[in-house]
Amino acid sequence: DTAVSQTPKYLVTQMGNDKSIKCEQNLGHDTMYWYKQDSKKFLKIMFSYNNKELIINETVPNRFSPKSPDKAHLNLHINSLELGDSAVYFCASSQAGSTDTQYFGPGTRLTVL
Amino acid sequence: AQSVTQLGSHVSVSEGALVLLRCNYSSSVPPYLFWYVQYPNQGLQLLLKYTSAATLVKGINGFEAEFKKSETSFHLTKPSAHMSDAAEYFCAVSDRGGGADGLTFGKGTHLIIQP
Repeated sequence: DTAVSQTPKYLVTQMGNDKSIKCEQNLGHDTMYWYKQDSKKFLKIMFSYNNKELIINETVPNRFSPKSPDKAHLNLHINSLELGDSAVYFCASSQAGSTDTQYFGPGTRLTVL
Repeated sequence: AQSVTQLGSHVSVSEGALVLLRCNYSSSVPPYLFWYVQYPNQGLQLLLKYTSAATLVKGINGFEAEFKKSETSFHLTKPSAHMSDAAEYFCAVSDRGGGADGLTFGKGTHLIIQP
């Protein structure tokens, strides 16, 4: 019974393609996030969703679009993939509030060729 | 805007020795501070967090951290290192207070345990 799950775990694709990464949490949390971890392991927030409303969008290119069909899911769509998009993408969830622990998924390693 | 600085991208200690991982933060308001651990090819797991209660925070796996406002620090310690502690450690801050907040992470410290 995984708390935060992501699919796929690995994604290899060509430049210019469109791809999606799925995230699901079964913790009943109100808020979900996407983070990007680059090759130097630096983690940066990309988006968060609270009750289906986008709360943060940190200077992410509009080729990236989060989509939340319901409170338990936050999918990441990426259009026109570029080499620089290669990274590990982590989904996370928490109850609303900055003191709350964020629970992370296992990550999706995206490689753009 | 808040920020986090982790001193030392790599720290090497002998098994059984003290572990000390340094974290300094910058925040215009009282921060909420977190330490996460990442094992190879895995997601992040919370070790401990400071949310303005006790300044000495105990976490999982024998780790603890002390919040020192005067030094703007939140260093992570463990009295005796174990081989299984080898991993990447991230300090993070969240200070916006209320609502959905992303975490601002430090650049991470890779902990190496020498046998």
